[in-house]
Amino acid sequence: AQSVTQPDIHITVSEGASLELRCNYSYGATPYLFWYVQSPGQGLQLLLKYFSGDTLVQGIKGFEAEFKRSQSSFNLRKPSVHWSDAAEYFCAVGGLEYGNKLVFGAGTILRVKS
Amino acid sequence: EPEVTQTPSHQVTQMGQEVILRCVPISNHLYFYWYRQILGQKVEFLVSFYNNEISEKSEIFDDQFSVERPDGSNFTLKIRSTKLEDSAMYFCASRGVRNTGELFFGEGSRLTVL
Repeated sequence: AQSVTQPDIHITVSEGASLELRCNYSYGATPYLFWYVQSPGQGLQLLLKYFSGDTLVQGIKGFEAEFKRSQSSFNLRKPSVHWSDAAEYFCAVGGLEYGNKLVFGAGTILRVKS
Repeated sequence: EPEVTQTPSHQVTQMGQEVILRCVPISNHLYFYWYRQILGQKVEFLVSFYNNEISEKSEIFDDQFSVERPDGSNFTLKIRSTKLEDSAMYFCASRGVRNTGELFFGEGSRLTVL
């Protein structure tokens, strides 16, 4: 079965510092991988996605993520964090083999200090 | 840009009452999903729907829940007799025939059961 682990529940970074949010997945075949962001009380906004091809994918708001099959990871990165990036970030995995049902990780809450 | 719309954005109900949450998926999409997020927890799959029938449902989706596509545009989630633990944000999602694996999420409907 599919599963996603986000090992960090909370992360605090200083504004302007770099960011890396970790995501590890378990999936029996070629996964589709996603990062979503959620501000308090709001819906899910897609940051970026990986289906195939280049393992480094670029997303909105200056985010990028790298798919590493050997490590079953899809970590999200941003070189310089802005205060407006404070939110909760969810990694998700899906694919054809499971009817495209997405399985989400528990989320990482990002706090940005000025 | 086409989007998934959900109504109501927030509903407050008494325990034991019936609730219907409505979703209008993107017009040419054929696969529909409901997810739930209890406050402070991760997003959980409830049910997927295709060709007027349930494709898959989770263990959360018990006999108190039902889904319907009553008129070719709406996709509804009904909770027959709400319980306190049904309080959550409910997200509708849809995807198209061309399988990119990506689900398009609505903004969510927040249900509060008193």
